[in-house]
Amino acid sequence: QQPVQSPQAVILREGEDAVINCSSSKALYSVHWYRQKHGEAPVFLMILLKGGEQKGHEKISASFNEKKQQSSLYLTASQLSYSGTYFCGTEGTTSGNTPLVFGKGTRLSVIA
Amino acid sequence: NAGVTQTPKFRILKIGQSMTLQCAQDMNHNYMYWYRQDPGMGLKLIYYSVGAGITDKGEVPNGYNVSRSTTEDFPLRLELAAPSQTSVYFCASSYPGTQPQHFGDGTRLSIL
Repeated sequence: QQPVQSPQAVILREGEDAVINCSSSKALYSVHWYRQKHGEAPVFLMILLKGGEQKGHEKISASFNEKKQQSSLYLTASQLSYSGTYFCGTEGTTSGNTPLVFGKGTRLSVIA
Repeated sequence: NAGVTQTPKFRILKIGQSMTLQCAQDMNHNYMYWYRQDPGMGLKLIYYSVGAGITDKGEVPNGYNVSRSTTEDFPLRLELAAPSQTSVYFCASSYPGTQPQHFGDGTRLSIL
């Protein structure tokens, strides 16, 4: 079942913060985050495993709330290079046994 | 390392024609995937493979076929192309388990 991402789109000025949410109606084993720039391939950002782990990648971090079946991606002090569409992909069983199901994406635009 | 290589990058087909989208990876990944991406719809899994000789259907397999005779290659075959198959097709690969997926640059296919 496809996870639901919110918001669908967001516009930020450089230096502002944003939060992108990914929610599922079923129990999750992991949540994966990817970023795709216009006309390019998706690029891996990070994986969150069940257990409420929070990970960071420069000024981009994420959390995973296993009880709520929700992950949030945090972008702080946004830069122009952060523009793109962010996708979450969810894995609903034990590791590696089922393929990811991706959300519809959140389009992030950072302006000067 | 080239990573995941997809050919062709662009193609226009007439309704009813057939073609094969090529995908090759040089990272010795066991797992390979084919996705299609329609505007605003995220990535939909067509077929995937967990190793040579093993393939399985994803969410939207109708109208497509795959084979996996080697670890490196995972071609996608379109038989009797239809306008509904106009899309951007991405191939990806990964190690087994909960691992990042590496995407190719995509094939932009139009069926007229």
